[in-house]
Amino acid sequence: GENVEQHPSTLSVQEGDSAVIKCTYSDSASNYFPWYKQELGKGPQLIIDIRSNVGEKKDQRIAVTLNKTAKHFSLHITETQPEDSAVYFCAASRRNSGGYQKVTFGIGTKLQVIP
Amino acid sequence: EAQVTQNPRYLITVTGKKLTVTCSQNMNHEYMSWYRQDPGLGLRQIYYSMNVEVTDKGDVPEGYKVSRKEKRNFPLILESPSPNQTSLYFCASSLSTLAALHFGNGTRLTVT
Repeated sequence: GENVEQHPSTLSVQEGDSAVIKCTYSDSASNYFPWYKQELGKGPQLIIDIRSNVGEKKDQRIAVTLNKTAKHFSLHITETQPEDSAVYFCAASRRNSGGYQKVTFGIGTKLQVIP
Repeated sequence: EAQVTQNPRYLITVTGKKLTVTCSQNMNHEYMSWYRQDPGLGLRQIYYSMNVEVTDKGDVPEGYKVSRKEKRNFPLILESPSPNQTSLYFCASSLSTLAALHFGNGTRLTVT
C-alpha cells in the first residue's frame, strides 16, 4: 500500500520567517495530495491541495509544490504568524480497486511560530 | 452550519464493555470514514463508507465495526474494547472521492 513520509516532525520558526514541510510518497498511482491543518482540540481542516497534473499551487501565504518524478511534495508557508502554529498533515490519495479514493496521511508536523 | 458531529468528545471505559461513538453529518455527503490518531503514527483509517449500506475496511479495522443505515450517520462500534484502542478518533465526510475531507472535532477514548 501507499506509504507517506513527512518531515520534520517538529518545526520552530520566528514570526515572519518561512516554514517548509516536506513529504514523500511511494505509490506512483497517487493523484491527489491534500494538506490539512489541525489546531488544538479540533479536527484537521483542509488548507490546500494539488492534483497530479499540476506542479505548483498558491493561495495567499501558502503554496504547495509537487514533483511527480521524485514523488516529493512540499508545503511552504511564508510570513508566518502565531496563528499558523498547529499540526500539519500531508496526504497522498489514489483510487483503489473498489473505486474509492483512499487517503494515506503522513505522521504530522508540529509547527510553532515564535512571536 | 455545515458540520460533522461526533459524540461523546471524551469517553473513559473499561476493557470489554461495548461502546458506540456516534457520527452525523448535515452536508448530504456520500462518503464517510473513521480514523484514529496516535502520536508518531498520524491518522490511520479504520473503516470507510461509499454510500448507505456500503462499507469497507481501512488500514486498521481489527476490533471495530461500523454501520451505514442512513446517509447522515456512521457510528463506530467497539464490541469489546481493549487498552490498545485508547486513542483519539475522528469521523470525516466528503462530497466526492477527490473532495476535501470534513472532520469532526474528535472523540478521545481511554480504555482501562
